[in-house]
Amino acid sequence: GNSVTQMEGPVTLSEEAFLTINCTYTATGYPSLFWYVQYPGEGLQLLLKATKADDKGSNKGFEATYRKETTSFHLEKGSVQVSDSAVYFCALRWGSTGFQKLVFGTGTRLLVSP
Amino acid sequence: NAGVTQTPKFQVLKTGQSMTLQCAQDMNHEYMSWYRQDPGMGLRLIHYSVGAGITDQGEVPNGYNVSRSTTEDFPLRLLSAAPSQTSVYFCASSYSNRGKLDEQFFGPGTRLTVL
Repeated sequence: GNSVTQMEGPVTLSEEAFLTINCTYTATGYPSLFWYVQYPGEGLQLLLKATKADDKGSNKGFEATYRKETTSFHLEKGSVQVSDSAVYFCALRWGSTGFQKLVFGTGTRLLVSP
Repeated sequence: NAGVTQTPKFQVLKTGQSMTLQCAQDMNHEYMSWYRQDPGMGLRLIHYSVGAGITDQGEVPNGYNVSRSTTEDFPLRLLSAAPSQTSVYFCASSYSNRGKLDEQFFGPGTRLTVL
């Protein structure tokens, strides 16, 4: 079936360090891929998305490229800030008709220290 | 716009009690859904609705009921709470799940503990 695998956390970085959070997926067909972010005590917010192979999603300095050949959608940021501390979820959406279900990874907690 | 609102924020129940988690959105979204979030398991879809009067089951529907009598509201009912239903529950809504209007907006969550 369809699934998403994320690297386990927590990921602990110093401010201005480079961030990579790995995400790989298993899916039939051509899913859309998403990164969501959850700040403490809040619901999930869409961070970025890509709907087809080789698309790059970007937002707030974060980027991820839809790699069909490696079934990956790794999240990257060149210089993290303390305010980026949160839980990051990779997700895919599939279905050709009707309601397209979101399948989430387990989440990766990022902790950024000053 | 208030976006997606959920009540209550916290709830403690005893095994066998019933309750309703409320979810409302003021964005005129057609699609609404309920997820539960458990440690190490990400979010899992419980039930969803593609419009008023239309609901369907998600990945983990057992023990939960839903209805959608209006576009704005999508309550989740636990008929007889069990400790396995201890979780954080999120409601989400979107215009659709296709094209440019497909972003899902999530509520702040309800943390439920069943003793």
